[in-house]
Amino acid sequence: QVQLQESGPGLVKPSGTLSLTCAVSGGSISSSNWWSWVRQPPGKGLEWIGEIYHSGSTNYNPSLKSRVTISVDKSKNQFSLKLSSVTAADTAVYYCARGREAFDIWGQGTMVTVSS
Amino acid sequence: QSALTQPASVSGSPGQSITISCTGTSSDVGSYNLVSWYQQHPGKAPKLMIYEGSKRPSGVSNRFSGSKSGNTASLTISGLQAEDEADYYCCSYAGSSTSNWVFGGGTKLTVL
Repeated sequence: QVQLQESGPGLVKPSGTLSLTCAVSGGSISSSNWWSWVRQPPGKGLEWIGEIYHSGSTNYNPSLKSRVTISVDKSKNQFSLKLSSVTAADTAVYYCARGREAFDIWGQGTMVTVSS
Repeated sequence: QSALTQPASVSGSPGQSITISCTGTSSDVGSYNLVSWYQQHPGKAPKLMIYEGSKRPSGVSNRFSGSKSGNTASLTISGLQAEDEADYYCCSYAGSSTSNWVFGGGTKLTVL
């Protein structure tokens, strides 16, 4: 059974770059699926950040596109998120998820706080 | 402001049925049969409950059902149980020219 696990720093300074990795276990990242990042600010709703296919093709939320980079490392069976020029508004729980017709598998989420 | 509109809260008594609406536009909900619904308990990751508008993943109770009419999708939960109390989010594909995926603002379900 496929499982996802996010990892990365829990604290990032303002204007810095948030970097997270999602490790895929129990299956191959090269399967016919898209792999997404979704975030949830404290007490608020879900926001789709972007997605990547194992070929490297990406799609991003236009509201974040200028600051987001999602990449894939097939050799490590993982994909990553980089969000630059962060502010307090980027404080959230960040989830990775497997998605094709829907997001059927989610990681447990990791809290990232932007603060000096 | 979320792309899809959901009521902030709904409530019902055990055994009753409730329906949560999710209103989008002709560019998302109305154009694609790719509406999904997620259940989220406090401190937990979202769980897929309905996909492609009305399909249930394996293991999801048949008390959960989905439908769509025009630009509005709906999630119905019948025979409410205490463990159904959670936040529910709808999501729709919105096409590659915009944000591929858009979520609703979420609905808090209270089981009285």
